[in-house]
Amino acid sequence: GENVEQHPSTLSVQEGDSAVIKCTYSDSASNYFPWYKQELGKRPQLIIDIRSNVGEKKDQRIAVTLNKTAKHFSLHITETQPEDSAVYFCAVSDSWGKLQFGAGTQVVVTP
Amino acid sequence: GAVVSQHPSRVICKSGTSVKIECRSLDFQATTMFWYRQFPKQSLMLMATSNEGSKATYEQGVEKDKFLINHASLTLSTLTVTSAHPEDSSFYICSARTEQGETQYFGPGTRLLVL
Repeated sequence: GENVEQHPSTLSVQEGDSAVIKCTYSDSASNYFPWYKQELGKRPQLIIDIRSNVGEKKDQRIAVTLNKTAKHFSLHITETQPEDSAVYFCAVSDSWGKLQFGAGTQVVVTP
Repeated sequence: GAVVSQHPSRVICKSGTSVKIECRSLDFQATTMFWYRQFPKQSLMLMATSNEGSKATYEQGVEKDKFLINHASLTLSTLTVTSAHPEDSSFYICSARTEQGETQYFGPGTRLLVL
């Protein structure tokens, strides 16, 4: 089955700096890669996603890049703000549409 | 759009009792719903895939007789934890997806505590 690895497990950044989270996957047939943000005790919220026919996607301060050859994709958050503090999960969709999640990254933005 | 609700939000029960959790898609028809379990400070682990009108498919290691899933309509799936034990205490989250889409929309989760 699909194996998703996510790094780092924790990330502390100063407000205004950038944050980058990386994920690798094993199944070359995977074609959908969403990122979710989860605040403590809340539901995961989709923040951005990318499909395999696209290499990069941006939405304001958030961007995702995908390298299908190397089987890795990354989340980039620029100009971080305290409200960006949360746990971020990458996920990979298999051919059945099931999501395999990474272990998560705890992001802490300090003022 | 794409709102998913879950009920109850939290439940405390005695060991040996059964607990039913409902997942509803409020503004779209969900042909497929998923049930996840999340332990503290861990990732979401898929338990089962629920398809409207057919039997759920369970992930390896998930007991289908313990976690009963019913997807009776295009907007409702239920998860029943039968004969709950303290080790079943967890955060249970459902998600829903349209037939055409890939995006999964998550419910707010149900925190289960079995005493």
